[in-house]
Amino acid sequence: GQNIDQPTEMTATEGAIVQINCTYQTSGFNGLFWYQQHAGEAPTFLSYNVLDGLEEKGRFSSFLSRSKGYSYLLLKELQMKDSASYLCVLTGTASKLTFGTGTRLQVTL
Amino acid sequence: SAVISQKPSRDICQRGTSLTIQCQVDSQVTMMFWYRQQPGQSLTLIATANQGSEATYESGFVIDKFPISRPNLTFSTLTVSNMSPEDSSIYLCSVQEHHTEAFFGQGTRLTVV
Repeated sequence: GQNIDQPTEMTATEGAIVQINCTYQTSGFNGLFWYQQHAGEAPTFLSYNVLDGLEEKGRFSSFLSRSKGYSYLLLKELQMKDSASYLCVLTGTASKLTFGTGTRLQVTL
Repeated sequence: SAVISQKPSRDICQRGTSLTIQCQVDSQVTMMFWYRQQPGQSLTLIATANQGSEATYESGFVIDKFPISRPNLTFSTLTVSNMSPEDSSIYLCSVQEHHTEAFFGQGTRLTVV
């Protein structure tokens, strides 16, 4: 089976940097995604890690350590529009996705 | 990337009735999935829609309650049968090729009264 743990809520200030952590246990690992979901909307893809290390894409970076069962999403230069839920998602066998409960990020002035 | 058209976007239904949700993709895709997202919660996989064969359901979901069709590689339907208020949720279809990002429809917000 798979188990994903991430904080429920976080608050950060506009212009700051925030790190959202995700720890997981899984019997079959084929990659880890981060998705962003604004209230009332479908999730949208942010990043994909399958090998250890850091993937950078603009203001967003994602890190993976497979041996530690750990990932984080780093958001820089926070903007108000970054207020959303951030979902840590495991992909296992047959491309099935398992979603974490999500971290609701509130960006304040 | 894939563009997914899901409809209806929302509906209010009477308990005991059924609702069929449609998902149309602009390209042929191997994997199609149906998810449920209950209020304030994350997504839970209902089933994998298999083209030309019966869907594969996750634990806690059964075909009689959530029949699924997948007549070709671009289209699928999910029916929520004999609805009760507990079925009020957002239902999303998703497409994905092996170990690549998943794309989602805009979701169907269902309210059962």
